[in-house]
Amino acid sequence: EVQLVESGGDLVQPGGSLRLSCAASGFTFSTYWMSWVRQAPGMGLEWVANIEEDGSEKFYVDSVKGRFTISRDNARNSLSLQMTSLRAEDTAVYYCAGTSGTGAFDIWGQGTMVTVSS
Amino acid sequence: DIQMTQSPSSLSASVGDRVTITCRASQSISYYLHWYQQKPGKAPKLLIYAASILQSGVPSRFSGSGSGTDFTLTISSLQPEDFATYYCQESYSSPQALSFGGGTKVGIK
Repeated sequence: EVQLVESGGDLVQPGGSLRLSCAASGFTFSTYWMSWVRQAPGMGLEWVANIEEDGSEKFYVDSVKGRFTISRDNARNSLSLQMTSLRAEDTAVYYCAGTSGTGAFDIWGQGTMVTVSS
Repeated sequence: DIQMTQSPSSLSASVGDRVTITCRASQSISYYLHWYQQKPGKAPKLLIYAASILQSGVPSRFSGSGSGTDFTLTISSLQPEDFATYYCQESYSSPQALSFGGGTKVGIK
């Protein structure tokens, strides 16, 4: 079964840090561009960051540049998002998602909730 | 950055109705447009990619059309399980940036 399972979401104070993880199974992880997509409560979807199949290229939405770092370990079929200097506006469900080459996100995890609040 | 505008933002429809949702890009994106369905508390699900190609396993009542700046998602006969929020997404500017539309919530009339 094709699966992405996120973990690491938590309640964190403004200015704090958090690391999200995503475990992949059931597909050839190393052939997929991987992304993090977030959804604030009651709001729409926002792409956050992505990483090339071999990890050599990474891109970020402007609002997280310099604060978030995406990484992957193809040997362990895992994706991570290191988040620092967290702000209230980073509060959201964070999904990991995979793209097989069509440009569309054809694999999604179930999401993990990040709440930034004092 | 490319802006994606969906309309309407919400609609009410009955089972069996034909439903059309539109998505407009701020610049031409060729056919690099995809549609998702999201139900409350669940992850989005890919319905259509490259503007008109039905994802495997998606019912044929869903269809997509368009190219350039204007796109549509059509549900030919709305079913009870189709009440959800629908998003479009462009990948023309991928991988440096990716944008979603604001969503269209399809509710029960």
